[in-house]
Amino acid sequence: KAGVTQTPRYLIKTRGQQVTLSCSPISGHRSVSWYQQTPGQGLQFLFEYFSETQRNKGNFPGRFSGRQFSNSRSEMNVSTLELGDSALYLCASSPGGIGYEQYFGPGTRLTVT
Amino acid sequence: QKEVEQDPGPLSVPEGAIVSLNCTYSNSAFQYFMWYRQYSRKGPELLMYTYSSGNKEDGRFTAQVDKSSKYISLFIRDSQPSDSATYLCAMSTTGANSKLTFGKGITLSVRP
Repeated sequence: KAGVTQTPRYLIKTRGQQVTLSCSPISGHRSVSWYQQTPGQGLQFLFEYFSETQRNKGNFPGRFSGRQFSNSRSEMNVSTLELGDSALYLCASSPGGIGYEQYFGPGTRLTVT
Repeated sequence: QKEVEQDPGPLSVPEGAIVSLNCTYSNSAFQYFMWYRQYSRKGPELLMYTYSSGNKEDGRFTAQVDKSSKYISLFIRDSQPSDSATYLCAMSTTGANSKLTFGKGITLSVRP
């Protein structure tokens, strides 16, 4: 089976801009979760989508949003970018959601200047 | 107190050593426990997944969970230079509002 894919792999944006990241889960997996990884805070949960519905949300501002399509592909959007949003954004795919095995993609490295 | 605490490291061992990595947690609602390995500039790779107290073995890796002490461990036998990576523990609750909570990770270096 193909693994989790994320596009783009690298992105440089300017403060105030918005960005959309994409994640394609493992075939047959209905859950996609998003995480932010920084050296200072480590891996932090953003949100989880299951069958096109957001099931869980972490403690991030409303500038961070996402959606999931009927084919389970997911997108994450960050509006009004801040310097502190520079991070590795990871998505994880799972057959059943949180509590099941989570398989991560390679991540999108976002740099905000 | 953080929900998940992981030994900060870094940790350096000679090739062939037995490595012990540990995490403690405070939330007794955690039911599922995982260990991930992350190489530089890569996404985390699932190594071990367990949901009960006791030991689970997979090749050179053994995951140990002690729910009464809120303590989990990962043992690596006969460590190899290719094991050099960052290791993250993770745990989750079940049901509504469940989320996966990670330790900060520990960087392991295995010297040839």
